[in-house]
This record gives sequence, structure tokens and C-alpha cells, in this order.
Amino acid sequence: ETGVTQTPRHLVMGMTNKKSLKCEQHLGHNAMYWYKQSAKKPLELMFVYSLEERVENNSVPSRFSPECPNSSHLFLHLHTLQPEDSALYLCASSHGQGYNEQFFGPGTRLTVL
Amino acid sequence: EDQVTQSPEALRLQEGESSSLNCSYTVSGLRGLFWYRQDPGKGPEFLFTLYSAGEEKEKERLKATLTKKESFLHITAPKPEDSATYLCAVSGDYKLSFGAGTTVTVRA
Repeated sequence: ETGVTQTPRHLVMGMTNKKSLKCEQHLGHNAMYWYKQSAKKPLELMFVYSLEERVENNSVPSRFSPECPNSSHLFLHLHTLQPEDSALYLCASSHGQGYNEQFFGPGTRLTVL
Repeated sequence: EDQVTQSPEALRLQEGESSSLNCSYTVSGLRGLFWYRQDPGKGPEFLFTLYSAGEEKEKERLKATLTKKESFLHITAPKPEDSATYLCAVSGDYKLSFGAGTTVTVRA
């Protein structure tokens, strides 16, 4: 595997389900990010992890719970989501936090019924 | 708060018809301006980083330029495979702020 990978690529879940999104980066980076992308809107930064510590929680509802067990892996745990949470969820990584170019995974298309 | 505005929202071109995309920004202390390409259903693909006014970078038919208030992405003699959404982002502090993108469609 190369670059940034995400699984699953597509996810359909009910409002009462619990699911997790997984991201893995093979670039040797030390910062990882979760973004939400909705149609016609700019990417919304959700969480930032630098050296495995969360440094940003951008007013994200508690039904989204991130986990970063090491510098190569990032998870987003989902529970009791709302239909408006349906979107493309993107993971990214970079050298250092924030101001270097970020490299993105292919995303998980989430649909909440 | 950093702000990024991209125009136009959509651009339809004939193959070979050159054009430019605009990215206007306000940021307290620009650390870098980034251009990405995004195909439908995929993650953004990194294209360029620009750091200071006057800087230019090129890749195939794409050329990015930077001034103190805006950046342009010039597409020279585009081909249908250049059809995509092009995203601009700025870094002023510790995170990137993205624009909504310009969707480019190139017809053969």
C-alpha cells in the first residue's frame, strides 16, 4: 500500500448504529486529520492529531469520536448519527502540523438513513 | 479567521481553450497556498505549494501564480482529462483553510 488509505470506501448506516472509519498513512508523516466534505461546501476540518495527540477539535458533535493509536493510524468512531452527517469523510496526513502540504486518502462516502 | 474564495464556481471549456481560475484569500501571515485537484468520488490530489508573492509553479498544462491577495491557476490548452474540481487552500496558522472549489469541464 502507498499513500493514504481509507476503509470502508462506502458506508450506509442507520441512526442507531455504531461504526468506525479507518485511515492508514504510509508516508512517514507525524500529523493526521479528519475532514468532512459536503456538496458545494469547503472542506471542514474536524480533528487534528500531531504526534498522536489531539490538537484540534473543531466544535464537532460528540457523536463523532476520533482515535489515533499511533502516527500511522487514525480512526473515526461514529454513533447515533443524523441524516445531515451524510457526507464524504476524508483523512489526510502531513509532515508537521498544519502548514505543510497535506496528502489525502480516497475518502469514505457515508450515508445515514 | 482565514478566508478563501474561489471563482468562478464552474467553468466549461472547449478542448484547447485556455483559461484561469482565481483564488482570493485573507490570512494573518501566509505560510503557504496550496492547489489540489479532486476527481468525483475521490480525495483531493496535491498539485502545488506557493510560499511568497511572485512565485510560480508549473506542471504539464497547469501553472500557478501568487500575489499578496490572490492566486491564479492557469490551464493552457486543456484536454478532457483536465476536467475536475480544483481546490485552493491557505495556511496561516496551524491548519489549512479551503475554498469551495472551481469545477472545470473540458469538452472534446
